[in-house]
Amino acid sequence: QVQLQESGPGLVKPSQTLSLTCTVSGGSISSGSYYWSWIRQPAGKGLEWIGRIYTSGSTNYNPSLKSRVTISVDTSKNQFSLKLSSVTAADTAVYYCASEPVTLNWFDPWGQGTLVTVSS
Amino acid sequence: QSVLTQPPSASGTPGQRVTISCSGSSSNIGSNYVYWYQQLPGTAPKLLIYRNNQRPSGVPDRFSGSKSGTSASLAISGLRSEDEADYYCAAWDDSLSGHWVFGGGTKLTVL
Repeated sequence: QVQLQESGPGLVKPSQTLSLTCTVSGGSISSGSYYWSWIRQPAGKGLEWIGRIYTSGSTNYNPSLKSRVTISVDTSKNQFSLKLSSVTAADTAVYYCASEPVTLNWFDPWGQGTLVTVSS
Repeated sequence: QSVLTQPPSASGTPGQRVTISCSGSSSNIGSNYVYWYQQLPGTAPKLLIYRNNQRPSGVPDRFSGSKSGTSASLAISGLRSEDEADYYCAAWDDSLSGHWVFGGGTKLTVL
């Protein structure tokens, strides 16, 4: 059973780049069986899909965030990463990583989530 | 402003049947499957319904999903106190190279 765990700084200054990593255990990130997604949730608000990457490196991004987002994969470490540039307070949220089976297209499992606060 | 529209709140008493709606457009619900997620306070969302009306193993049959045109619904029958949670619908949107969209979420209160 695949398990996911987010990691990265909990505090980022405005205008800087938010960087998070999701470590995959219990399975190979290069199996070709999954898309790997980032999803965020501001406190008290709904879910927002940020983007996903496939093992090949192919990506899809939320159009509203596309200009600031980069998702990459490191197969040697069984990890995928998120970079969000030029952050503002509006980017403060719990960030989740999640796997999406290619044949089923659901988000499961999810990581536990990590809170990132944008503040000076 | 979420792409999929859900009522912000819903409520019911134990044993009742409650439905939560999710409205979209031809580029998302109208042409793709709908998924439902349940989020208990302080936890990550959990898959509840996939491909419009399919339940993953372990999800009680009190939960059911349906879709018609550009709208979908989640029904919960025999409401229980532990069903009090936030519920989100999601669908793939074919516009702009494709991307996932979520509803704004519905807070279900069991009275």
